[in-house]
Amino acid sequence: EIVLTQSPGTLSLSPGERATLSCRASQSVSSSYLAWYQQKPGQAPRLLIYGASSRATGIPDRFSGSGSGTDFTLTISRLEPEDFAVYYCQQYGSSPNTFGQGTKLEIK
Amino acid sequence: QVQLVQSGAEVKKPGSSVKVSCKASGGTFSSYAISWVRQAPGQGLEWMGRIIPILGIANYAQKFQGRVTITADKSTSTAYMELSSLRSEDTAVYYCARTSGGGYNYWGQGTLVTVSS
Repeated sequence: EIVLTQSPGTLSLSPGERATLSCRASQSVSSSYLAWYQQKPGQAPRLLIYGASSRATGIPDRFSGSGSGTDFTLTISRLEPEDFAVYYCQQYGSSPNTFGQGTKLEIK
Repeated sequence: QVQLVQSGAEVKKPGSSVKVSCKASGGTFSSYAISWVRQAPGQGLEWMGRIIPILGIANYAQKFQGRVTITADKSTSTAYMELSSLRSEDTAVYYCARTSGGGYNYWGQGTLVTVSS
């Protein structure tokens, strides 16, 4: 089973700032089958990034993903008020399709 | 547009079973995997297993092997997740989700299962 470790656990930033979230895998993620999700309280997760760097339909271009192998990054270039939420990475290249433990992005 | 609509909240006794449904509309039901993910209160996302309806083959996370059964009815475009031998730690929101080739694009609204004596 691939274990995903996200850092930091909590990130405190202000609107307009840049956010960098990390996801490290215990072994290489095949074909960069790595996704990022955003989740707000009381809502289902929303797909932001798939294939490590492809934005899902309707996702603003301030969200970008990068990385390969075992190290992946989600970057939000300029934070908007609606971006404060919990973010999860997930690998879907092998079974089980594991999730990271999440990074909470909070307003400073 | 694909929509996944799940069955309503459940309250169950320890040791019993629960079966949650996930009805899909729009798109092609049989060709894409339906996965089940749960989230305990205040916790992260946990993958339970998935099924590819056209194949009828399911695979499960080791943690749930022997306790979970995922099935799909192609005639009604509905997937099911049954979890048995419930304990308090199974109290969670259960989501179904569907991939369209990259990540889980579509999610159900979630079903709260509460296990309490």
